[in-house]
Amino acid sequence: SQTIHQWPATLVQPVGSPLSLECTVEGTSNPNLYWYRQAAGRGLQLLFYSVGIGQISSEVPQNLSASRPQDRQFILSSKKLLLSDSGFYLCAWSPPGQDNSPLHFGNGTRLTVT
Amino acid sequence: GQNIDQPTEMTATEGAIVQINCTYQTSGFNGLFWYQQHAGEAPTFLSYNVLDGLEEKGRFSSFLSRSKGYSYLLLKELQMKDSASYLCAVMDSNYQLIWGAGTKLIIKP
Repeated sequence: SQTIHQWPATLVQPVGSPLSLECTVEGTSNPNLYWYRQAAGRGLQLLFYSVGIGQISSEVPQNLSASRPQDRQFILSSKKLLLSDSGFYLCAWSPPGQDNSPLHFGNGTRLTVT
Repeated sequence: GQNIDQPTEMTATEGAIVQINCTYQTSGFNGLFWYQQHAGEAPTFLSYNVLDGLEEKGRFSSFLSRSKGYSYLLLKELQMKDSASYLCAVMDSNYQLIWGAGTKLIIKP
C-alpha cells in the first residue's frame, strides 16, 4: 500500500530564516506530487505540483520554491521566511495518468514564523 | 472567477442527520470531491461525484446536480467522531482542484 510521510509536524522559525519541508511517498512510482497551504477560514491553496523528477509547476508567485530531486521526494523551501508564510502546509500525491483521482495527503506541517 | 461556497459552520446532534451544501461556479467540470478534516490533521477523501445523482457509502452520501452547480454531503446517524471540517473541491476543465473554505461541523451530545 502507498504511504506518504511529511516532516516536521511543527516548526517555529524567525523571520528571515530559511525553510525546508520534506515529503516522501512509498509504494508507488512516478506519483503526481503537490504542496498546498491552508490558512484559517480559507480553501486549500495550491503552491506547487510536479508530474515527474525535476518538473515543477508554480501556481502562486511568492518567496517559496519546490524541488523534486528523486521520484518520490518533494521538498518545499524558502531562503528567507516572511510572517505571512505562517500556515499549515500539506503535501499530497495522486496516481500518475489519472487526472481525476483523489489526493492523498500527508499529516501536514504547522509553520509559525515569529 | 471560480468560486466554491459552503457554510462556515454547522451544529447537529448525535444520532441525527445533517446535510452540508456546496455550490460552485467553475470553468468546466470534471468531478466534485468531499474530504473530511479533523482539527490539526490532514484531509481524508470521502467521496467523488462526476455524474448527477446520489452516491452512498455507509453513513455518508453525496449528491450532485451539475445543472445547478450544487452538491451536498449527507451524514446519517451522527457520531461524536464526525465532528470535523468538511471540504468541497471541484475539478475544473484543466483538471485543477478548486477548494471551498470548508464547513466546520460541531456534534453535540
